[in-house]
Amino acid sequence: ILNVEQSPQSLHVQEGDSTNFTCSFPSSNFYALHWYRWETAKSPEALFVMTLNGDEKKKGRISATLNTKEGYSYLYIKGSQPEDSATYLCASLGGSNYKLTFGKGTLLTVNP
Amino acid sequence: AAGVIQSPRHLIKEKRETATLKCYPIPRHDTVYWYQQGPGQDPQFLISFYEKMQSDKGSIPDRFSAQQFSDYHSELNMSSLELGDSALYFCASSPEGGHGTRSSEQYFGPGTRLTVT
Repeated sequence: ILNVEQSPQSLHVQEGDSTNFTCSFPSSNFYALHWYRWETAKSPEALFVMTLNGDEKKKGRISATLNTKEGYSYLYIKGSQPEDSATYLCASLGGSNYKLTFGKGTLLTVNP
Repeated sequence: AAGVIQSPRHLIKEKRETATLKCYPIPRHDTVYWYQQGPGQDPQFLISFYEKMQSDKGSIPDRFSAQQFSDYHSELNMSSLELGDSALYFCASSPEGGHGTRSSEQYFGPGTRLTVT
């Protein structure tokens, strides 16, 4: 994998459903993986920064895991609420020039 | 809590004009990053500064330049503007800087929307 890839591109769930999505990134020269929550007309809000293989982080109903050996991270949202509707961006810090490279995001819509 | 401030929030310029975007990081953050997000595109890293020195360079055109000042605010100067420069320009700051230590969260400003006509 040369770029940061996120899937699915968009997701519609019902209020109360739990959901998860994936970020794949180059595993070579990896340094850190960032997750951001981005609501329309607002700036990205940092959720997590993870660096170690096996890292798990949690903030309220949102949690994330990291596998640096295979180059992927999962973001989980438990009991989705309409206010969780946003684009969830991941960004990988790494490569020979330690550049932060963003994925295209997963657009989550939670229907009441 | 204080956040990243960007000014102006909106800017309209004509082709071949120049524009200056300003970014004021969160107090005690010594690292500033600039990103460009074109319509329907993911954010692209342009350039970053740590302690007033350029620390990383991304896909910043030669027509653009930036610097970080002694009070840690940063300015992105854009010359000979082209239609394709129309985008949302985000600035972010973080409390840790220096090459290879950017594992801190980046705190984003509200962005400056530049429209080139």
